[in-house]
Amino acid sequence: EVQLLESGGGLVQPGGSLRLSCAASGFTFSSYAMTWVRQAPGKGLEWVSTISGSGDTYYADSVKGRFTISRDDSKNTLYLQMNSLRAEDTAFYYCSKLRSSAAGAGGNYWGQGTLVTVSS
Amino acid sequence: DIQMTQSPSSLSASVGDRVTITCRASQGISNYLAWYQQKPGKVPKLLIYAASTLQSGVPSRFSGSGSGTDFTLTISSLQPEDVATYYCQKYNSAPFTFGPGTKVDIK
Repeated sequence: EVQLLESGGGLVQPGGSLRLSCAASGFTFSSYAMTWVRQAPGKGLEWVSTISGSGDTYYADSVKGRFTISRDDSKNTLYLQMNSLRAEDTAFYYCSKLRSSAAGAGGNYWGQGTLVTVSS
Repeated sequence: DIQMTQSPSSLSASVGDRVTITCRASQGISNYLAWYQQKPGKVPKLLIYAASTLQSGVPSRFSGSGSGTDFTLTISSLQPEDVATYYCQKYNSAPFTFGPGTKVDIK
């Protein structure tokens, strides 16, 4: 059974940093692209970042230069390092396993999400 | 960047009705389109990928069509458990933008 468990969310001041983790199990982690999607409370889905199975990375313009996606295939874990956080980054952050190793594919499994709140 | 729009933004229909949601890309994306369902308080669920391929386990009343810039998601016979917000997402190339969503409820 595929399981994705996010952690690392919390309350942080504007300008601060957080690192989100997504622990994966139930599939061959290294063979699949992974993605982060966020959703502000009461709002729609926003794509944040994707990393392919080979390590190519992609970012939304809204987070480029501030967020870094990475993966540790030895630990079956996906990360999102978030720096220079802004109030508009407040959202639930979901990790998702994509259908293939390529970055361009639908997300067929999703974690339960972790809430990031940026506020003073 | 390619923009994704959806219409309508919300709809109310009766149980058993045929429901159609439209997603439009500002430029052609071939068939690199996915549809997701998000029920209230739940995480998104992949319904359809490659514009028309049903994800395993998804009821056959859901179908997708389209290519290029215009896509549709159809629910052939709306059921109470289909109350949700539906999102399209392009994945031909980054950014992998989602549409704004269509909220579906029961009349």
